[in-house]
Amino acid sequence: DAGVIQSPRHEVTEMGQEVTLRCKPISGHDYLFWYRQTMMRGLELLIYFNNNVPIDDSGMPEDRFSAKMPNASFSTLKIQPSEPRDSAVYFCASSPSGTGNTGELFFGEGSRLTVL
Amino acid sequence: GNSVTQMEGPVTLSEEAFLTINCTYTATGYPSLFWYVQYPGEGLQLLLKATKADDKGSNKGFEATYRKETTSFHLEKGSVQVSDSAVYFCALTPWGYALNFGKGTSLLVTP
Repeated sequence: DAGVIQSPRHEVTEMGQEVTLRCKPISGHDYLFWYRQTMMRGLELLIYFNNNVPIDDSGMPEDRFSAKMPNASFSTLKIQPSEPRDSAVYFCASSPSGTGNTGELFFGEGSRLTVL
Repeated sequence: GNSVTQMEGPVTLSEEAFLTINCTYTATGYPSLFWYVQYPGEGLQLLLKATKADDKGSNKGFEATYRKETTSFHLEKGSVQVSDSAVYFCALTPWGYALNFGKGTSLLVTP
């Protein structure tokens, strides 16, 4: 079975450019999470969705960040304009709800972003 | 608020040594507790979990016991292997979905 699929795996861009990260959750999972990982701050929850609806975006650093989930099989995290301090690994994770939930999140392999 | 504090690494051990990685938490209510592992170049994956006080989670020789009185969930393994080299994250969830992670502890096991 396919796991959580993220693209691109690596992105190098220049300050000021728009960056779009993509995620395909595991089929049947109705929770989707975006995390950011840096050496300084560790893993931070940015936003999560339930049934394609954003539930909590309090972790989104600022208005330059936005996330969407237009359908159950696709989500994007956009940064516009990007800044060097946005350099990090961005992880997408998904989880089932109801009896399928064990508190376990299923992570993608991450998108490593470098902003020059 | 809910938070997790882990011992800072890196931790370097020889093969077959005993491992302890400390984790303490702050939470309202009765959270579930987790250890996740991240191998180089990969995403995180669940190692073990405990959902209530005094529960012991175990997997692949690793163990952790949910201690409510000390708000701790320390990870232990009796004999580490080179293949255990990874970053280990302690995490909690107060309600079963989104997780709050610690900063991670890097473990390097040498032959």
